[in-house]
Amino acid sequence: GESVGLHLPTLSVQEGDNSIINCAYSNSASDYFIWYKQESGKGPQFIIDIRSNMDKRQGQRVTVLLNKTVKHLSLQIAATQPGDSAVYFCAENITPGSTLTFGKGTMLLVSP
Amino acid sequence: KAGVTQTPRYLIKTRGQQVTLSCSPISGHRSVSWYQQTPGQGLQFLFEYFSETQRNKGNFPGRFSGRQFSNSRSEMNVSTLELGDSALYLCASSLGNRQETQYFGPGTRLLVL
Repeated sequence: GESVGLHLPTLSVQEGDNSIINCAYSNSASDYFIWYKQESGKGPQFIIDIRSNMDKRQGQRVTVLLNKTVKHLSLQIAATQPGDSAVYFCAENITPGSTLTFGKGTMLLVSP
Repeated sequence: KAGVTQTPRYLIKTRGQQVTLSCSPISGHRSVSWYQQTPGQGLQFLFEYFSETQRNKGNFPGRFSGRQFSNSRSEMNVSTLELGDSALYLCASSLGNRQETQYFGPGTRLLVL
């Protein structure tokens, strides 16, 4: 997988492969993280979240891993499908209230 | 429950004009946040309203303003539009607590000519 940086990195995989999308977050005080999926022409869609008192959380075909030591978050998608093609964003909750700070995003392209 | 709705979906304006965008949150949600999305800067936080009060504000000029009504619906206004204001404007709603998911609307695509 590729790390989120100032440009939009792209991860290309074959259908059925497992995908790993990485994110380096900015603030060691962040205690809540969310992964969103954004398809072309749509708003971001919630995928999975994790709190800082956990290091792993699993959903349906997705797993989020949190490494607080190096401020790193990853999203693993099992058996990737063409419908998973989208831009994926990580977001962190830093300030009081529910404001989120987003990473730049990673484009996932799944070939049939 | 119906999701977050935004109107209009598309808008074309010219420099110097002003624009108002509207967002209706998920029923029961009291927090509405606004974000600007551009290819160069990604998703950037504009402001958050909770119970009709601005609770958080991002680093945008005063030309960007917002408000929230008693039914939690929110509007954002951009005055004296600049070419660089062309973007997708997204709103997201939540109950308003920390460590809580925000749910996004489809966005309003604004083009400034």
